[in-house]
Amino acid sequence: QTVVTQEPSLTVSPGGTVTLTCASSTGPVTSNHLPNWFQQKPGQAPRTLIYFTSNRHSWTPARFSGSLLGDKAALTLSGVQPEDEADYYCLIYSGVPGWVFGGGTKLTVL
Amino acid sequence: QVQLVQSGAEVRKPGASVKLSCKASGYTFTSYYLHWVRQAPGQGLEWLGRIDPNTGDTHDVQRFYGRVKMTRDTSTRTVDMDLSSLTSEDTALYYCVRERVGGYFDHWGQGTLVTVSS
Repeated sequence: QTVVTQEPSLTVSPGGTVTLTCASSTGPVTSNHLPNWFQQKPGQAPRTLIYFTSNRHSWTPARFSGSLLGDKAALTLSGVQPEDEADYYCLIYSGVPGWVFGGGTKLTVL
Repeated sequence: QVQLVQSGAEVRKPGASVKLSCKASGYTFTSYYLHWVRQAPGQGLEWLGRIDPNTGDTHDVQRFYGRVKMTRDTSTRTVDMDLSSLTSEDTALYYCVRERVGGYFDHWGQGTLVTVSS
């Protein structure tokens, strides 16, 4: 069974830059895993930020960028705003088992 | 505009079944997969499965051992998910989310709260 690992929590200062990562227990994460990134604020449904590794939706601020970093998928926030405080989840395609979410990263802006 | 509107909250006893609905509008219903995702209280997101509204083909998490059944009705532009043999561990918010084939997730439903309690 594929396990997808994210940092449980990260803290960043307003205006700073932070990178969240997404690793797979089965090996390197590649574009073939079709990584997606989601943001979820308390009491709200998740919102899709990034699809297919690095593509932003029309509603995704330009300060969010997706990439592959070494063996992981990554979400980088540049020029962090207070409203970016949220939980962030990655999702990768794992073949026969289907899609697997990471455990999520709680991002604190302090 | 694209909308996914889910059915209302449900309360069930252990051992019962529940049917959740996700009604789509604002796009060509058969051109996008619809997935089901759940979130237990205070926990992360869990992928449950997806249906192709065009063919009815489904792909779900094997560990549910057949407890999940997804169907679609193209006339009403609705996908349903039946979850049977409920336990307290099935208490969660259940979401539907759209995918353009190839890993392009975008719009989410508002969620349906399912509470399993004796």
